[in-house]
Amino acid sequence: EPEVTQTPSHQVTQMGQEVILRCVPISNHLYFYWYRQILGQKVEFLVSFYNNEISEKSEIFDDQFSVERPDGSNFTLKIRSTKLEDSAMYFCASSGGGWRYTDTQYFGPGTRLTVL
Amino acid sequence: ILNVEQSPQSLHVQEGDSTNFTCSFPSSNFYALHWYRWETAKSPEALFVMTLNGDEKKKGRISATLNTKEGYSYLYIKGSQPEDSATYLCAFYSGGGADGLTFGKGTHLIIQP
Repeated sequence: EPEVTQTPSHQVTQMGQEVILRCVPISNHLYFYWYRQILGQKVEFLVSFYNNEISEKSEIFDDQFSVERPDGSNFTLKIRSTKLEDSAMYFCASSGGGWRYTDTQYFGPGTRLTVL
Repeated sequence: ILNVEQSPQSLHVQEGDSTNFTCSFPSSNFYALHWYRWETAKSPEALFVMTLNGDEKKKGRISATLNTKEGYSYLYIKGSQPEDSATYLCAFYSGGGADGLTFGKGTHLIIQP
């Protein structure tokens, strides 16, 4: 069964460094998302992406964050200058051609980001 | 800020027993409610997407109901098995666009043999 994959599974970085989290969505899906979960808190929406542009973004997704689909298969989340509070599990998800919030979203296993 | 609440926070159930838990969400501007099952170290697994008031969906021993007028959804598990142990998340979409899916904190279910 097709699945969303994410790399790396765990990333440790120093405060102020740039990180890129990578995702390979399910191949025929059209909508892509990033979420995060800070330890002990709820899963939070960051951004949705469709047709090579951002569809929606939350207040969390400020100028330090960016997303890209560089080659038609990967979907990346870049954090330009990491802060301690960026430490979280980051999930990528994708959904098919239906309207994005009434269509099933398929999640990857997550990347745990630790900022020291 | 939208508030999605799940109760109970955690639940211990004997193998073979049936159980249910609740997701509460704002009753205005309802678009969709998602249920996910999340086992530790695995991807959250989509269970249901519910959109219509009175919807009832079923997947094996798991079923869910939806009441959009009063703002709640129940998830039921019939004849619990150890493999049902997981955290069950609900996520709500209101149609506002800016917030994407709003998640509850989850119900952590432990099935005791």
